[in-house]
Amino acid sequence: EDQVTQSPEALRLQEGESSSLNCSYTVSGLRGLFWYRQDPGKGPEFLFTLYSAGEEKEKERLKATLTKKESFLHITAPKPEDSATYLCAVQAGSGGSYIPTFGRGTSLIVHP
Amino acid sequence: DAGITQSPRHKVTETGTPVTLRCHQTENHRYMYWYRQDPGHGLRLIHYSYGVKDTDKGEVSDGYSVSRSKTEDFLLTLESATSSQTSVYFCASGGEGQPQHFGDGTRLSIL
Repeated sequence: EDQVTQSPEALRLQEGESSSLNCSYTVSGLRGLFWYRQDPGKGPEFLFTLYSAGEEKEKERLKATLTKKESFLHITAPKPEDSATYLCAVQAGSGGSYIPTFGRGTSLIVHP
Repeated sequence: DAGITQSPRHKVTETGTPVTLRCHQTENHRYMYWYRQDPGHGLRLIHYSYGVKDTDKGEVSDGYSVSRSKTEDFLLTLESATSSQTSVYFCASGGEGQPQHFGDGTRLSIL
């Protein structure tokens, strides 16, 4: 059974204080790992897709990396507008069902 | 961005009544999904569709049914609503092996 564990559950940072969110996964053949951002009252918004170990993607203050067992979302010099819940999901390669498994998310609050 | 619209955005109803939530996408995605999101549980898959009239159950499908008569529309029905089905419901769509695009949710309260 595919599993995704995100840590920490909640994270409070001061503006400018860099940190990382973790997504650990077990899956039989990774087809893709996805990061989403969710603001209160909104649906998840897609950020990145990672397909293979060693791959990295960047967007503004966010950088996502992938190993064979986990992914990190690095946030450099965060701003209050980066406050949101960040979700990780994996899609297995076997079976072709394209049904992703989501983690429970990390709630990030950045204080000014 | 993929165009995903959900209706209604908010609904309050009584226990035992039928409820239908609607999802419409404009991206011609093959896959569509219904999730519920509750504190402490994250996103949980209710049902999904891999084509017109092709649907399957997710991990929390009891008490729910779905229908997909057109590529762009995916309906979720609560046949007889219960208070445990009070939740925020999200619809998503996506292509094969591609990220999902989500609607902004329906907040459903069952009294």
